[in-house]
Amino acid sequence: EAGVTQFPSHSVIEKGQTVTLRCDPISGHDNLYWYRRVMGKEIKFLLHFVKESKQDESGMPNNRFLAERTGGTYSTLKVQPAELEDSGVYFCASSQDGTGTSPLHFGNGTRLTVT
Amino acid sequence: AQSVAQPEDQVNVAEGNPLTVKCTYSVSGNPYLFWYVQYPNRGLQFLLKYITGDNLVKGSYGFEAEFNKSQTSFHLKKPSALVSDSALYFCAVKIYNQGGKLIFGQGTELSVKP
Repeated sequence: EAGVTQFPSHSVIEKGQTVTLRCDPISGHDNLYWYRRVMGKEIKFLLHFVKESKQDESGMPNNRFLAERTGGTYSTLKVQPAELEDSGVYFCASSQDGTGTSPLHFGNGTRLTVT
Repeated sequence: AQSVAQPEDQVNVAEGNPLTVKCTYSVSGNPYLFWYVQYPNRGLQFLLKYITGDNLVKGSYGFEAEFNKSQTSFHLKKPSALVSDSALYFCAVKIYNQGGKLIFGQGTELSVKP
């Protein structure tokens, strides 16, 4: 089966610009997660979708971040306007169940650099 | 507050020697614990997990981890390290009553030299 795919792999933008990250989960996985790792620190949870619904968005840093999952398939994460502190690696992950007992399948991540 | 700590930023091991990557946790309720590995320019790959049962769990690539409830630890181990084990290792814990949401440690860079 195809794994979780993320696009783009790298993005360099200027402060104030907009960037949209995309994630295609493994087919059939209703649960989709966004995480990010900033400046070599721990990986932090951003939000969790179950199908097209936001189950938990407690990790979203502020209202400059908007995540969508229309139709319950792929997801996008938009940052508008980007700030310097948004730089980091954004990971998407999916799983069949949302109980936490099944491992998450991660994509390769999008490395975002805001200059 | 629920948290995961990986006290070592980097672990250096000679090939063929045993390796240990440390992890301690603080959670409410019974912990679900995971280890993931990240190779350069790749995503995180699942290594092993502890949900319940035997305290010693075995995972991919010859790795194992021991759940120690009294010490709230879940150290990752391998009897004989390979150069190809060099990577970034993350310990994670599932947050009680919050679905599949995980808290990660800051990661430990493992370097295995020939």
